[in-house]
Amino acid sequence: QKEVEQDPGPLSVPEGAIVSLNCTYSNSAFQYFMWYRQYSRKGPELLMYTYSSGNKEDGRFTAQVDKSSKYISLFIRDSQPSDSATYLCAMSFDNYGQNFVFGPGTRLSVLP
Amino acid sequence: DTAVSQTPKYLVTQMGNDKSIKCEQNLGHDTMYWYKQDSKKFLKIMFSYNNKELIINETVPNRFSPKSPDKAHLNLHINSLELGDSAVYFCASSPDSSSTDTQYFGPGTRLTVL
Repeated sequence: QKEVEQDPGPLSVPEGAIVSLNCTYSNSAFQYFMWYRQYSRKGPELLMYTYSSGNKEDGRFTAQVDKSSKYISLFIRDSQPSDSATYLCAMSFDNYGQNFVFGPGTRLSVLP
Repeated sequence: DTAVSQTPKYLVTQMGNDKSIKCEQNLGHDTMYWYKQDSKKFLKIMFSYNNKELIINETVPNRFSPKSPDKAHLNLHINSLELGDSAVYFCASSPDSSSTDTQYFGPGTRLTVL
């Protein structure tokens, strides 16, 4: 079993839809959880990070962590064509950037 | 102004060669990283480096060596290239080494080993 799993997609939704992106993980020692967005042929950019279980909202984006189920989600409300990208979850055991583990990413297409 | 830049953007080379990829950041950050993104899109950290220490991912072969002439540069040197080294290599930087610091990624270098 891989440490971090993500459905690779592609996931296609109409503009305005609510998108749910998910990751599962196997190691309960992960404490920090992040979502990155990667446009085609670009480097990943950090969207959100959370520490421990719960929800965190930032504009149209909500990150959710359920540590008991080892499951994290990113919700995108009112999705736009500009949201079309690959979304990678990442997690870390501690607060040091060198200990990241990334999921393979889910490719999202938002159709106008 | 590009925050994190990498050169070259594409690199095609033969097995057994030695090559370098350069990375520069103009953000004044203290920490820089190298990542490898394989064909399945997994992004794996290879090194992180700040002006105090180099942290090496123990799974990285010692054919890979980071070299930092100064705080703004972290180059990646690869000896004796192998087919399995083909991937996209991303450089990144952050203000310090905190996991929750935003990491700014370069555009990537697509390495193809023939």
